[in-house]
Amino acid sequence: DTEVTQTPKHLVMGMTNKKSLKCEQHMGHRAMYWYKQKAKKPPELMFVYSYEKLSINESVPSRFSPECPNSSLLNLHLHALQPEDSALYLCASSQAIGQIYEQYFGPGTRLTVT
Amino acid sequence: SQQGEEDPQALSIQEGENATMNCSYKTSINNLQWYRQNSGRGLVHLILIRSNEREKHSGRLRVTLDTSKKSSSLLITASRAADTASYFCAAPSGGSYIPTFGRGTSLIVHP
Repeated sequence: DTEVTQTPKHLVMGMTNKKSLKCEQHMGHRAMYWYKQKAKKPPELMFVYSYEKLSINESVPSRFSPECPNSSLLNLHLHALQPEDSALYLCASSQAIGQIYEQYFGPGTRLTVT
Repeated sequence: SQQGEEDPQALSIQEGENATMNCSYKTSINNLQWYRQNSGRGLVHLILIRSNEREKHSGRLRVTLDTSKKSSSLLITASRAADTASYFCAAPSGGSYIPTFGRGTSLIVHP
């Protein structure tokens, strides 16, 4: 199984809401990533988890809170978002970090903040 | 910061023609990868080329890497309408192994 799944596919939330994005992989990968992608732009790295520990936080605002409950799951908790946070949120996984590995991406969650 | 810059930003061709996209990067790299993204969906890994490799093939895809010029190219031969997508190069920067994506080339293949 070389699939990364993400739920939900679409999410509309108000600025006072709390919601979570979920990502799952069953490839035995030990690195998982969150990216944010605005329209017609490249994906921008937000967070990297390695062996369930936060390895990289690319200066992301605290209204985005990642969580890695186990090696197969990655969550992104959202709270008090702004309209400019509307974007496609992509999850990815790779065998590990620290060497050259390809990344496997999920289909993304299209987030709209109203 | 962005490592790769693709050229052209947009490319429109007829089915059966070849499509060439270029990627230039700023700092020394240990590998460069190419990804495809269909409209509004996740990215699909196409090819990884290491810094000691000059050329790599996968089906109708051919990737070259010129480390002296800090550039790479992706050639899609005999293009099909299904190849319509955005293509991104991705290369690590700052000694990291985690790739940073370029701005991408939007390819449209007309049937």
